[in-house]
Amino acid sequence: EIVLTQSPATLSLSPGERATLSCRASQSINNYLAWYQQKPGQAPRLLIFEASTRATGIPARFSGSGSGTDFTLTISSLEPEDFAIYYCQQRDNWRATFGQGTKVEIK
Amino acid sequence: EVQLVESGGGIVHPGGSLRLSCAASGFTFNSYAMAWVRQAPGEGLEWVSAISATGGSSYYADSVKDRFTISRDSSKNMVFLEMSRLRAEDTAEYYCVKVLNSAVVTYFDFWGQGTLVSVSS
Repeated sequence: EIVLTQSPATLSLSPGERATLSCRASQSINNYLAWYQQKPGQAPRLLIFEASTRATGIPARFSGSGSGTDFTLTISSLEPEDFAIYYCQQRDNWRATFGQGTKVEIK
Repeated sequence: EVQLVESGGGIVHPGGSLRLSCAASGFTFNSYAMAWVRQAPGEGLEWVSAISATGGSSYYADSVKDRFTISRDSSKNMVFLEMSRLRAEDTAEYYCVKVLNSAVVTYFDFWGQGTLVSVSS
């Protein structure tokens, strides 16, 4: 089973700052990676898929990069509504797995 | 507008069974695989199962294999998750999700609001 490890566990930043979140896979997953945002009491929302493609309606301040085993989600300038938990997810032919999440909190 | 509405959650004893339902609308149901993802209280996300657009193929996480069965009824635009031999560690919010593209195991672009399953004696 492919394991995804996200870092850091918590990121404390101020609005307007740049956020850089990491997701590392235990083996190569090509570019088969997505990022989701989850706010308290809400279902997750798809942000990025295939490592770097923004989902419909996602603002341009969200960007994804990486391939193989190392991936990054960047939020160029944090808006108040961006403080949330972010999960990465990989998919292979038979199963999907999620990382454990990174919480982006207000400093 | 895509809508996914789960139902069927509740409290069940260890070893018991439960059937979750998901009513889908706002998209061509027969064209997309569907899946279930769960989230234990205060924990992260765990993919549970997926079923192809035709219902001919299904996939399961190791943690639920041989205990859970996913199915779909295209005449009613519904997806089901039959859960048996439930354990305390199955306690979670269960989300019905629509997949993004033509693959079965892939990304999830629409999520329901979830239904809570609590396994407790």
